[in-house]
Amino acid sequence: RKEVEQDPGPFNVPEGATVAFNCTYSNSASQSFFWYRQDCRKEPKLLMSVYSSGNEDGRFTAQLNRASQYISLLIRDSKLSDSATYLCVVNAGNTGGFKTIFGAGTRLFVKA
Amino acid sequence: GAGVSQSPSNKVTEKGKDVELRCDPISGHTALYWYRQSLGQGLEFLIYFQGNSAPDKSGLPSDRFSAERTGGSVSTLTIQRTQQEDSAVYLCATQTSYMTDTQYFGPGTRLTVL
Repeated sequence: RKEVEQDPGPFNVPEGATVAFNCTYSNSASQSFFWYRQDCRKEPKLLMSVYSSGNEDGRFTAQLNRASQYISLLIRDSKLSDSATYLCVVNAGNTGGFKTIFGAGTRLFVKA
Repeated sequence: GAGVSQSPSNKVTEKGKDVELRCDPISGHTALYWYRQSLGQGLEFLIYFQGNSAPDKSGLPSDRFSAERTGGSVSTLTIQRTQQEDSAVYLCATQTSYMTDTQYFGPGTRLTVL
């Protein structure tokens, strides 16, 4: 079982749609959670951190469910520019500190 | 600049040659990760450093791959006797030692093995 699992997609949605991605993680010692975005042929960049109480940044809402060990990302009113791969990221505790683990990503295509 | 830098940005080499890729972290970032990404694929973890030591080398695909980090700063990833399947983008990412911190990526080195 992968340490961080995501549905690879692709998700094909029309402009204006609401789309949700889920991610599950296996290490119960995980402490910090993030969503990154990666555009084609570019490096990944931080989209937002995920806090226990849930957090929102404009059209983007991230939620964490520690009991079920999953993280979600909701995108409202999708724009063409939202087309990218969304990566779920976990900082998981291990001996000597922690390790950052990336999911394989979920591809999103927003169409006009 | 203040970001992670990598060099070279592009490298074309012939099969069987050795290549060395370099990563300059953000100042003060103690953790440094190397990833590989083939076209259309996800990030493949290779190795990470905490300071100069590498707690996890499990992602290195073969003994042709090695990495080192000196002075807790610059890291080099060396690929010996390159093969065509080594062609990919090699990404470096760094972060502080705080578990709440995120990783910051360099622009990557695109390696093409002919």
